[in-house]
Amino acid sequence: EIVLTQSPGTLSLSPGERATLSCRASQSVSSSFLVWYQQKPGQAPRLLIFGASNRATGIPDRFSGGGSGTDFTLTISRLEPEDFAVYYCQQYGSSYTFGQGTRLEIK
Amino acid sequence: QVQLAESGGGVVQPGRSLRLSCAASGFTFSNYGMHWVRQAPGKGLEWVAVIWYDGTNKYYADSVKGRFTISRDNSKNTLYLQLNSLRAEDTGVYCCAREETMLRGGYYYYGMDVWGQGTTVTVSS
Repeated sequence: EIVLTQSPGTLSLSPGERATLSCRASQSVSSSFLVWYQQKPGQAPRLLIFGASNRATGIPDRFSGGGSGTDFTLTISRLEPEDFAVYYCQQYGSSYTFGQGTRLEIK
Repeated sequence: QVQLAESGGGVVQPGRSLRLSCAASGFTFSNYGMHWVRQAPGKGLEWVAVIWYDGTNKYYADSVKGRFTISRDNSKNTLYLQLNSLRAEDTGVYCCAREETMLRGGYYYYGMDVWGQGTTVTVSS
């Protein structure tokens, strides 16, 4: 089973700052099969990024994804108040697994 | 509008069974693979199971293999999850999600693009 480890566990930043979230896989994952989701309290997850770097429909361009192999990142260029949430990476390459999540909180 | 609505959750004793349902509307259900994902209280997302659009293939997380069964009835636009031999660690919110196929630059990609709000399962004596 591929284990995804996200870091940091919690990221404290202010609106307007840049956020960089990491997702590390225990073995290589094809970029095609790496996805990012956003989840706000009491809400269902929302698809943000698929194929490691492609924004889903309706996702603002301040969100970007990158990486390959075992190291992937989600970057939010300038944080808006509505971006503070929990972010999960997920892989489809071997079965389906989620990372444990990164909580992005207001500093 | 595109919607998924889960039902069937409840409080159940360890070792007992439960069947969850996920009613789909607003899209052609039979064209999509479907997943179940759960979230224990205060914890992260855990993938549970997937079923192909036509029901021919099904895959499960190791934690539920042999105890849970995913199925679908395309004539009723409904996805199911049969939960047997329930354990305390199965407690959580169970969500169904649609698997979308996205074509970009000549390549196909996948992601869960529509989610239900979930139904709560509590396993307790």
